[in-house]
Amino acid sequence: EVQLLESGGGLVQPGGSLRLSCAASGFSFSYYDITWVRQAPGKGLEWVSGISAGGDIIHYADSVKGRFTISRDNSRNTNYLQTSNLRVEDTAVYYCATRNGCNSGVCYGLQYWGQGTLVTVSS
Amino acid sequence: IQMTQSPSTLSASVGDRVTITCRASQSFSNWLAWYQQKPGKAPNLLIYKASSLEGGVPSRFSGSGSGTEFTLTISSLQPDDFATYYCQQYGSYPWTFGQGTKVEIK
Repeated sequence: EVQLLESGGGLVQPGGSLRLSCAASGFSFSYYDITWVRQAPGKGLEWVSGISAGGDIIHYADSVKGRFTISRDNSRNTNYLQTSNLRVEDTAVYYCATRNGCNSGVCYGLQYWGQGTLVTVSS
Repeated sequence: IQMTQSPSTLSASVGDRVTITCRASQSFSNWLAWYQQKPGKAPNLLIYKASSLEGGVPSRFSGSGSGTEFTLTISSLQPDDFATYYCQQYGSYPWTFGQGTKVEIK
């Protein structure tokens, strides 16, 4: 069974940093790309960042570019989202998600999601 | 690519046929997904590649469309379907979601 477990959220002051982790199990982690999506309280979904299976292709939303860094440790089956210079508007539940990639010309949506970790940025 | 869903809220009864529309600010390949989300839960993938049903998803859900206009249809609304629905394009980065459509009990 595919499982993703986020951790590392919490309360942080504006300008602070947090490292979010996404621990994976039940699948061959090193073959799957990983995506982070966040959801502010009472709001919709916002794509944040994505990293390829090999870690060589990385993308960020403009809203976090230069402040967030995504990485992965395939030996530990874990993905990380390092957040810095946090703003009040970064307050959200952060989800990591993955999919069966692109096979035979078919690319899937985000099929597997963690339960999310809450980041609250407040003074 | 901006994704705009309509309506934002929809009131319907059990058994109704429901259609949600998602419009893109520019045409893209049909890498369009639909998700269902219930309060306090992670989203659940329903449809990928605009019209392909994800495994385990009831056949009352269907997707269609191409270019800049896409639709999600629920053929006969069931009690478990009252939730918020999001479209998402994953054809080009940055991936983007629609703002969501909340399906409420009429």
